[in-house]
Amino acid sequence: GENVEQHPSTLSVQEGDSAVIKCTYSDSASNYFPWYKQELGKGPQLIIDIRSNVGEKKDQRIAVTLNKTAKHFSLHITETQPEDSAVYFCAPRSGGSYIPTFGRGTSLIVHP
Amino acid sequence: EADIYQTPRYLVIGTGKKITLECSQTMGHDKMYWYQQDPGMELHLIHYSYGVNSTEKGDLSSESTVSRIRTEHFPLTLESARPSHTSQYLCASSEFRDEQYFGPGTRLTVT
Repeated sequence: GENVEQHPSTLSVQEGDSAVIKCTYSDSASNYFPWYKQELGKGPQLIIDIRSNVGEKKDQRIAVTLNKTAKHFSLHITETQPEDSAVYFCAPRSGGSYIPTFGRGTSLIVHP
Repeated sequence: EADIYQTPRYLVIGTGKKITLECSQTMGHDKMYWYQQDPGMELHLIHYSYGVNSTEKGDLSSESTVSRIRTEHFPLTLESARPSHTSQYLCASSEFRDEQYFGPGTRLTVT
């Protein structure tokens, strides 16, 4: 099965700083790479995803970069705001499976 | 916003009781999932379904059972609740092999 490592487990930044979370996976057949955000009292929600034929994708202050050779992808948040405080999960998925493997989560804290 | 619902949102129940956690989605998705989320945040897949009358156990061993009689409904049952079942339970659905849509979760406490 897929082995997924997500780092760091906790990230504390000042408002306006950038934040980067990295996800490393083991299955070279993985072809879908999403990031989910979980706010307190809610279920995770997709914020950005990328497929294996693309190296980078941006959506306003959020971006995801993929390095298939090294088998890792990263979430980048620029100009962080207090409302970005949440737990973030990566969940790479192999092309042959409907089941993603979730990382252990990163707790992002943005201090005003 | 995803149309996936979980009830109850919070449940406190005594040891030995039978409970059913409800999950419903109105998106017509074939794939549905149950996750257990521990206090350390990690998500553990406990059951999933690829469609009506299809259920499979996930990676984490669980004493719960599930059923899928209708596409939109995927309830989880604990025949005899124990304190070790205290956790957050999240239901999700997906279409094809893309994103998962999560419900708001049920926080279960067994005393």
